[in-house]
Amino acid sequence: AQKVTQAQTEISVVEKEDVTLDCVYETRDTTYYLFWYKQPPSGELVFLIRRNSFDEQNEISGRYSWNFQKSTSSFNFTITASQVVDSAVYFCALSNLGSSNTGKLIFGQGTTLQVKP
Amino acid sequence: DTEVTQTPKHLVMGMTNKKSLKCEQHMGHRAMYWYKQKAKKPPELMFVYSYEKLSINESVPSRFSPECPNSSLLNLHLHALQPEDSALYLCASSPLAIFSTDTQYFGPGTRLTVL
Repeated sequence: AQKVTQAQTEISVVEKEDVTLDCVYETRDTTYYLFWYKQPPSGELVFLIRRNSFDEQNEISGRYSWNFQKSTSSFNFTITASQVVDSAVYFCALSNLGSSNTGKLIFGQGTTLQVKP
Repeated sequence: DTEVTQTPKHLVMGMTNKKSLKCEQHMGHRAMYWYKQKAKKPPELMFVYSYEKLSINESVPSRFSPECPNSSLLNLHLHALQPEDSALYLCASSPLAIFSTDTQYFGPGTRLTVL
């Protein structure tokens, strides 16, 4: 079975704090892809990152960083020095081509991040 | 440019109305998707078109009728909807055909209210 769990439903921080959003996934396939999307109040899902299962290098993009650990099936997302504009719902998602999937995105339930000034 | 556009942004319709949602992408993507998203929930896949052919229908009621007139356009025709169909409808596209793990790029969505 494929599953993505985002245990944190809502997180509230004060501007400039660092915050980590957790994502734990389940899959039996050895080849899979993990994604993070941001959904601000306007509604559009904004693509942030795509990572394949063979690349465990951590990635940094400005204030954003991602920690992929196959040993714990986790793909966590950290925002450094958070800003009010980071307030949004963040979705972690999994995709693979296993027998029970066709490349469809399997989303977690999302984490609502509120950054207060 | 990774832009997917959707019109209208907002739509209010009665249960006897017929309306259409429109989605457009000019990135040369070969797969296009319709999702439905209820408040505080993740998007749920409805339909997938690959090379302008319907590839996946996630058991969506027939009151939703998708159409892909060409490789850049995707429509969703609505008829006899129910109030519980009120939601955000998102369109997405991806470079390769379905059955790939390509990145999906989403449009801004249409907020639909059924009275």
